[in-house]
Amino acid sequence: GAVVSQHPSRVICKSGTSVKIECRSLDFQATTMFWYRQFPKQSLMLMATSNEGSKATYEQGVEKDKFLINHASLTLSTLTVTSAHPEDSSFYICSTGLAGRDNEQFFGPGTRLTVL
Amino acid sequence: GNSVTQMEGPVTLSEEAFLTINCTYTATGYPSLFWYVQYPGEGLQLLLKATKADDKGSNKGFEATYRKETTSFHLEKGSVQVSDSAVYFCALSETFGRMNTGFQKLVFGTGTRLLVSP
Repeated sequence: GAVVSQHPSRVICKSGTSVKIECRSLDFQATTMFWYRQFPKQSLMLMATSNEGSKATYEQGVEKDKFLINHASLTLSTLTVTSAHPEDSSFYICSTGLAGRDNEQFFGPGTRLTVL
Repeated sequence: GNSVTQMEGPVTLSEEAFLTINCTYTATGYPSLFWYVQYPGEGLQLLLKATKADDKGSNKGFEATYRKETTSFHLEKGSVQVSDSAVYFCALSETFGRMNTGFQKLVFGTGTRLLVSP
C-alpha cells in the first residue's frame, strides 16, 4: 500500500507559539489529504480536507485561522497550529487516498502535540 | 449526523481465543463500512471493508458482515494471535457535500484496544 509519513512524531511547545506538522506521501502523488485530530479515548475527528493548489475545506467548528493548511505540492501538506494553547494538545493524523482504490485512505503515524 | 459506536476496551484475550468487537452505526443513505487497525507506533491501516448490505469483508482471518437491519458491522476472528494486539477502529464513509474529489469522508468510532497474551 501507499506510505504516508508525518514529521515530527511528537512536539512540545510553549503556549503562544506556532507549530508546523508535515504530511508527506512517499511513493505516490496525493491530490487530496485529510487532517484529523484525536483526543484520548475518542474518535478521530476530521478537521479539514486539503487539496493541492487550492484552499483547504474546513469542517464545521474548526478555526481556519488557527489551523493553517497548505498543500503546495502533490507530495506534501502542512498543518500549522498558530498561537497554540494547552487545549490544542492532541494527536494529529493525516491521510490520503489513491485514485481507483475505492475510498481507501492511507494514514500517517500521527503527531503528538503537547502545549505547555 | 452520522455516527459510529464501538465497544470500549481494552479487550484482553488469550492466544487462540475467539474475538468479537461490536460496532453499530447511525447513517442516512447507504454508507460503506470499514475496519481499520493501528499497530503500536504505526498509522491506521485498512483491515477490511464492505460497501453494501449483506456484504462480508474479510482479511487476515478477520471478518465483518454489513447488517443493515441491525445497523451493525461486528468484527470477528476465530483464533487471535499475539500479533493481533492493536487498536481497531470501525468507520463509515459519507459523501462530501461540496467537493467531488473521488474520496469520501470517514466517520470513526472511538477505537477498541485488543491485547492478546501468549
